[in-house]
Amino acid sequence: SQTIHQWPATLVQPVGSPLSLECTVEGTSNPNLYWYRQAAGRGLQLLFYSVGIGQISSEVPQNLSASRPQDRQFILSSKKLLLSDSGFYLCAGKDRDYGYTFGSGTRLTVV
Amino acid sequence: GIQVEQSPPDLILQEGANSTLRCNFSDSVNNLQWFHQNPWGQLINLFYIPSGTKQNGRLSATTVATERYSLLYISSSQTTDSGVYFCAVRRDMRFGAGTRLTVKP
Repeated sequence: SQTIHQWPATLVQPVGSPLSLECTVEGTSNPNLYWYRQAAGRGLQLLFYSVGIGQISSEVPQNLSASRPQDRQFILSSKKLLLSDSGFYLCAGKDRDYGYTFGSGTRLTVV
Repeated sequence: GIQVEQSPPDLILQEGANSTLRCNFSDSVNNLQWFHQNPWGQLINLFYIPSGTKQNGRLSATTVATERYSLLYISSSQTTDSGVYFCAVRRDMRFGAGTRLTVKP
């Protein structure tokens, strides 16, 4: 089965610092991959999705970026974090056999 | 873009009660899923149901694609059913705002 690995589980970063969150996929190949952000008590906002290596679609203008250097690796980055970047970040993958699977998420607090 | 609306936003039940959650979407879709987010934030895939009806234990779901809605039924609710239920549509997974379910013992 498909498994999504995300780390770290929690992260506290100062304003203006860089960010790199990594998501890796196990058990499948060529999945569609997604980054979501969830503010406290709110729904999931789609940030980026990727249908293949080097292919990134951005949904919301912001100071975040995403990259997919390998088939099973999806990275969310920022050069300078803002307070408004705080939230719960979830990576998800979809493949033909297993449908959608989510990672366990990273809770980011920007201070 | 497509709009996804879920109702009710909040639902409080006594253990053992049944409930129906609704997901309306503004455009035709060929991909709809229901998820449960537990209190620790983990999202669990419940159903992939672009059309028709599926059942898994106490949960079942029905999607009427021509009328642009899907329903999630929870029967004999348990406290472990608490959390937020989301529907998501289309290949790029547009989520509704969710229904927060609290089941009291």
